[in-house]
Amino acid sequence: DTGVSQDPRHKITKRGQNVTFRCDPISEHNRLYWYRQTLGQGPEFLTYFQNEAQLEKSRLLSDRFSAERPKGSFSTLEIQRTEQGDSAMYLCASSLEGYTIYFGEGSWLTVV
Amino acid sequence: DAKTTQPPSMDCAEGRAANLPCNHSTISGNEYVYWYRQIHSQGPQYIIHGLKNNETNEMASLIITEDRKSSTLILPHATLRDTAVYYCIVFAPEGAQKLVFGQGTRLTINP
Repeated sequence: DTGVSQDPRHKITKRGQNVTFRCDPISEHNRLYWYRQTLGQGPEFLTYFQNEAQLEKSRLLSDRFSAERPKGSFSTLEIQRTEQGDSAMYLCASSLEGYTIYFGEGSWLTVV
Repeated sequence: DAKTTQPPSMDCAEGRAANLPCNHSTISGNEYVYWYRQIHSQGPQYIIHGLKNNETNEMASLIITEDRKSSTLILPHATLRDTAVYYCIVFAPEGAQKLVFGQGTRLTINP
């Protein structure tokens, strides 16, 4: 499978714990995006990278959230001190600059 | 905010053509019309996109009006597996833009 890969697909964590999601983009794609989606809503933009540079961050990305793409390939999204309001599906997407964006299957987070 | 307007829901009979409208009256000259769909609990799936000409691929057809202020996604022979939320998004992939999702249209295909 050469699509966008996300891991883990499902995560249940206790409030206050830290969680990390990993995204492997489609090979050679230089842009990588993170979105969040809660039930009944469309995906909301969080941040995006071009190569290893984080070019834009949404106001939704609080201080507890951090995203990295250290070598311009895979990316991680870490949530520190999780809260129940962080329960959502976290989507990763990738593209070549100037071309179509493709999404992964998402990582579901449940904070209990 | 999303720059498109879509009906919140639509129904279509299995085997018939599903026509999903989208208004994008403020679209800029360099922005394409993109369509994605999201089947329950899955990531958004790319369907088709176009700039000003009509487009067709193995999944769907996209009809864009001459003034580019609206478009219609056509699923020619809808099946039950086409039940999903369909998002119409205007987007300029060359620029530093991201996809901005609205509420989309929840399409239900009925047997």
